[in-house]
Amino acid sequence: DQQVKQNSPSLSVQEGRISILNCDYTNSMFDYFLWYKKYPAEGPTFLISISSIKDKNEDGRFTVFLNKSAKHLSLHIVPSQPGDSAVYFCAAYDYKLSFGAGTTVTVRA
Amino acid sequence: DAMVIQNPRYQVTQFGKPVTLSCSQTLNHNVMYWYQQKSSQAPKLLFHYYDKDFNNEADTPDNFQSRRPNTSFCFLDIRSPGLGDAAMYLCATSRGVGKDTQYFGPGTRLTVL
Repeated sequence: DQQVKQNSPSLSVQEGRISILNCDYTNSMFDYFLWYKKYPAEGPTFLISISSIKDKNEDGRFTVFLNKSAKHLSLHIVPSQPGDSAVYFCAAYDYKLSFGAGTTVTVRA
Repeated sequence: DAMVIQNPRYQVTQFGKPVTLSCSQTLNHNVMYWYQQKSSQAPKLLFHYYDKDFNNEADTPDNFQSRRPNTSFCFLDIRSPGLGDAAMYLCATSRGVGKDTQYFGPGTRLTVL
């Protein structure tokens, strides 16, 4: 039973524009949310996180928004750069990490 | 650089032939995890060790076992691989359990013939 869902398998965006990645979850016990980034032939690396007591967390070009009533979070990347081309995993924590299936982002020059 | 290393990167085995995947870490973390990721699916936690304490997920098949002989190394043993066990296997570590950041290795891609 998939508790974390990323419904868009891929996203293509022009360099300099905003990338918006979406993630939905079903488990109301999740209290901590993360985004991981994965390049080919490498393991996922932690990008940004947000606690359930917040609705926004910003780190440079990356901002995560949490809407608990909708059980939805999103990752905004502004401006998008070619080096942002990667697979992005949404993850949520209750007693363990549960991951989404990932969204492949391609930033076009 | 401190890191999580997985060997081999690619492993081919035959149906029913036992196989062992290896993970080592130089981070000196207490917790080591094994995840299974099938094609286009989410990584799924199989089990984890907190130090020497083994914690199995309820839905992890008995076919999957793990060993952690010391802090640095952790092994994933698949006793009788089936075609459905073909996947990427990811090892991760964290300093503690809970919300501590997990650091992932590059994974081992297992093919079952």
